[in-house]
Amino acid sequence: SQQGEEDPQALSIQEGENATMNCSYKTSINNLQWYRQNSGRGLVHLILIRSNEREKHSGRLRVTLDTSKKSSSLLITASRAADTASYFCATERTGANSKLTFGKGITLSVRP
Amino acid sequence: NAGVMQNPRHLVRRRGQEARLRCSPMKGHSHVYWYRQLPEEGLKFMVYLQKENIIDESGMPKERFSAEFPKEGPSILRIQQVVRGDSAAYFCASSPLETGGEQYFGPGTRLTVT
Repeated sequence: SQQGEEDPQALSIQEGENATMNCSYKTSINNLQWYRQNSGRGLVHLILIRSNEREKHSGRLRVTLDTSKKSSSLLITASRAADTASYFCATERTGANSKLTFGKGITLSVRP
Repeated sequence: NAGVMQNPRHLVRRRGQEARLRCSPMKGHSHVYWYRQLPEEGLKFMVYLQKENIIDESGMPKERFSAEFPKEGPSILRIQQVVRGDSAAYFCASSPLETGGEQYFGPGTRLTVT
């Protein structure tokens, strides 16, 4: 079954606007990670948040984690055309070694 | 420090042939993972290996698929008697940690079965 469910499935915004992407999951986790994938390429790790953390920042990225609601959000501030990509959340489940369970992804388009 | 290397980047096989996908993890990483991505889908875990050991193969199809990570050389994902449904992008990732860390992904091998 799908562990991570992102929403929306697709998001189109104007350059300079903020983009907010959400992810929900079903089981208890060690950590949650966000990855970016440009078309036809491999995945690039963006940020990792552990289950005992609530918020984390990295440059223009802000991620939150609410373990009571089993949800996370990724905020990209002041978006750029180069942010256009697919974004995936992935969870490392508690007691399931380090394999990651991915959602289907969100397609973000940033219009110049 | 070179990233995760995968080859070939593109592989075309006819139905019934064998496909061999190779992955060299980042230097110093002893944990290797294989994932499969179908078009418009997220990545699905296949197998987790350490040197000479398969730790978790719960995502591997029961037949035709096998993986190894020998003491020397790259990790190999082998698909025997390929079928059209095996067409996908196969990604390898490596990590220096057993748990709790990010995974570093290779560029993937795009397998097309004709």
